[in-house]
Amino acid sequence: SQTIHQWPATLVQPVGSPLSLECTVEGTSNPNLYWYRQAAGRGLQLLFYSVGIGQISSEVPQNLSASRPQDRQFILSSKKLLLSDSGFYLCAWSSGYGSNQPQHFGDGTRLSIL
Amino acid sequence: EDQVTQSPEALRLQEGESSSLNCSYTVSGLRGLFWYRQDPGKGPEFLFTLYSAGEEKEKERLKATLTKKESFLHITAPKPEDSATYLCAVYADSSYKLIFGSGTRLLVRP
Repeated sequence: SQTIHQWPATLVQPVGSPLSLECTVEGTSNPNLYWYRQAAGRGLQLLFYSVGIGQISSEVPQNLSASRPQDRQFILSSKKLLLSDSGFYLCAWSSGYGSNQPQHFGDGTRLSIL
Repeated sequence: EDQVTQSPEALRLQEGESSSLNCSYTVSGLRGLFWYRQDPGKGPEFLFTLYSAGEEKEKERLKATLTKKESFLHITAPKPEDSATYLCAVYADSSYKLIFGSGTRLLVRP
């Protein structure tokens, strides 16, 4: 069966520090991968999606970037964190982008910026 | 503009008190509607996919139904462990991405 792993589960970082969140998927090949941010009491905001290695599409201009160095690895990064980057970050995968397949989520990373 | 609206925002039930959550959508060409359950501090857990009006899916005490304008998540004789936030999301012809509602927070008291 397929599984998705995100780490770390929680992270506290000072303003201006770099960021690297990692997500890996097991049990499937060529997944479509997604990064979301979820604000408290609100819906999920899509940040980045990828349909293949090295292929990244950005949804919202921001202080963050994403990379996909391997088929089942997705990384969310920042060179300098802002206070507004605080939030709950979720990685997800699906078996086909743009089709009607469900997305499956990891357990998220709670990021707090001080 | 594609839109997904969930109601109510919050719902409190006594154990055993059945009820329904609503997800109304305004999209061009529905390709799929998805229900998720999210526990505090966790990622959403996939529950159901519905593709066409009239379709129904069931899982334990949950039953999801779909019409041309909305979906209902019926909870029969809920238990405290059913307490969670339930999210609805849609794929549409007019949008390449999953559009989420803001969720319904369900609390079931013993």
